[in-house]
Amino acid sequence: GENVEQHPSTLSVQEGDSAVIKCTYSDSASNYFPWYKQELGKRPQLIIDIRSNVGEKKDQRIAVTLNKTAKHFSLHITETQPEDSAVYFCAAPGGFKTIFGAGTRLFVKA
Amino acid sequence: EPEVTQTPSHQVTQMGQEVILRCVPISNHLYFYWYRQILGQKVEFLVSFYNNEISEKSEIFDDQFSVERPDGSNFTLKIRSTKLEDSAMYFCASSETGRRNTIYFGEGSWLTVV
Repeated sequence: GENVEQHPSTLSVQEGDSAVIKCTYSDSASNYFPWYKQELGKRPQLIIDIRSNVGEKKDQRIAVTLNKTAKHFSLHITETQPEDSAVYFCAAPGGFKTIFGAGTRLFVKA
Repeated sequence: EPEVTQTPSHQVTQMGQEVILRCVPISNHLYFYWYRQILGQKVEFLVSFYNNEISEKSEIFDDQFSVERPDGSNFTLKIRSTKLEDSAMYFCASSETGRRNTIYFGEGSWLTVV
C-alpha cells in the first residue's frame, strides 16, 4: 500500500542554523505534498505545500523541494528560531486519504 | 477564517462504554476524515467520507468504529466497547475536494479510556 517515510525522527539545531527534513513516498501517482507543523497539544497545521508541476516552493524562511523521479521531497527551514520548535509531518495523498510520515521533532536551541 | 470544530475537547470514559465524537467540517468542504494520534506518535488515518458514504478506511477502522453524517453539518465518529488502547487524540478533518487536496484539522478530541 501507500507509504510515506520521514527522517530524521529528531533534529536539534542552534538558533539561526538551517534544518532539513526529508520524506519519500511510494505512490508514483501522488502529485500534492503538504507539510504540517504540530505544536504540543495542538492540531497539525499546514505550513507549506507543493504540487508536482514545480520543483521548489518558498515562503519566507521555509521552502519545499520535490524530486518526482526519486519520489522524495524535503522541507527546509532557514534562520531557525525557538518558535520553530515543534513536530513536523510530511504527507502525501494515497487513494481517498492523506498519509502522514512519522514526524520529526525539531528542537531549536537558543 | 472557517475552521473545523470538534466536541468534546476531552472525554473520559469507562472501558467497554460507547463514545461519540462530534465534528462540524468547514461548510463548503465535501470530504471528511477522522484521524487518530496516540500520544507522541504519528497521525494515523481512520476513515474518509464523501457523499454520505465511506470512501476509504484503514485497518484500524474495524467493526468497533462507525461514522455518520446525521444532518447537514455534523459528522460523528462512534466508538463502541472502548478499550484502553483507544485512548488517543481523535482529529476530524475536511477538504474541499478529495484526492490531492489540503486537509484541515479540527482541534481534536482527547479520549481517555480508564
